[in-house]
This record gives sequence, C-alpha cells and structure tokens, in this order.
Amino acid sequence: SQTIHQWPATLVQPVGSPLSLECTVEGTSNPNLYWYRQAAGRGLQLLFYSVGIGQISSEVPQNLSASRPQDRQFILSSKKLLLSDSGFYLCAWSGGQGASNQPQHFGDGTRLSIL
Amino acid sequence: SQQGEEDPQALSIQEGENATMNCSYKTSINNLQWYRQNSGRGLVHLILIRSNEREKHSGRLRVTLDTSKKSSSLLITASRAADTASYFCAQGSSNTGKLIFGQGTTLQVKP
Repeated sequence: SQTIHQWPATLVQPVGSPLSLECTVEGTSNPNLYWYRQAAGRGLQLLFYSVGIGQISSEVPQNLSASRPQDRQFILSSKKLLLSDSGFYLCAWSGGQGASNQPQHFGDGTRLSIL
Repeated sequence: SQQGEEDPQALSIQEGENATMNCSYKTSINNLQWYRQNSGRGLVHLILIRSNEREKHSGRLRVTLDTSKKSSSLLITASRAADTASYFCAQGSSNTGKLIFGQGTTLQVKP
C-alpha cells in the first residue's frame, strides 16, 4: 500500500535561518506531488506542485522554493525564513495518470513556528 | 480568487443528528472532492464526485453536486462524536490534479 512520510512534525526556527522540510512517498511511482500551507483555522493554499523529477511549478510568489531530486521525494526549502512563513505545511501526492480525477493523499504535516 | 466558499463555517450538533455542509465554487470543474481534517493532522480524502455525477454515497456520507448552481453538499447521517473535525471541499479543475480548497466547515458533534 502507498504511504507518505513528512518530517519533522514540529519545528521552531529563528527568523533568517534556513529551512528544509522533506516528504517521501512509498508504494507508488510517478506520483504528482504537492506542498500546501495552512494558516490557523483556514483552508489550504497550494504552494508548489510537481508532475515529475525536476519539474516544479510555483503557485504563489514567496520566500520558499521546492525541489524534487527523486521520483518520490519532495523538498520544501528557504534560505532565510520570515515571520510570515509560520504555519502548518502539508505534503500530498496523487496518481500521475488520469490526475484530473484522482484524490490527494496527505502527510501528517509540519507545524513551523518562526521566532 | 477562484477559491470557493463553504457554509456554515462552524456547526455544532448532538450525536445521532445529521450534519449538512455546503460548498460553492466559481470555476468549471472535473470533479469535486471532500476531505476531513482532525485537529493538527493531515487531510483524509472522503469522497470524489465527478462533474457528470449528481450524487454519491459512501457509508454514512452522501454528496450531491449541482453543476448548474456550482454547488455541492456533504451530508453525514447519524453523526458520532468521532465525526468531530473540519471538512473541506476541493475543486478539481486541472489535468495536473491540482485542487482549490475551500475554507472548511468545523463540525462539533456532542456526545
């Protein structure tokens, strides 16, 4: 069966420090991958998505970047964190084939607090 | 913004009652999906209804879709305390599988 792992679960970082959040998927190949941010009590905002290795699409201008070095690995990064980067970050995957009618499967998220 | 709206924002009911949540969207869709999120956790997919479908059932869940009104509803019958969570609708419009999520409805089911 397919599983998605996201870590760390919580992270406290000072302003100006770098960030690296990692997400890996097991049990499937060629997934579409997604990074979302969720503000407290709000819906999800899509940050990045990827349909293949090295293929990254950014949805909103921001201080973050994403990379997909391997088929089932998706990394969210920042060189210098801002206070506004605080939030709950969620990684998700969906089947690549017929992606337009596929559900997404989410990791358990990383709660990022910037001090 | 292409983001849809959910109504109500919050709902509190007694165990055993039915809960209905509504979702309106703005763009044409391939499908409409519903997700559940327990506090501090990731989202769990509940049900996907395609644009050419009008109603779908899964256990105690019933989803309807009215593309002429650009709206969908999620009905949870015979609710349980364990149904307490936030529920989100999401519009699937893109061949890349991207979704546009609503702001969610927070459901509290009192035992």
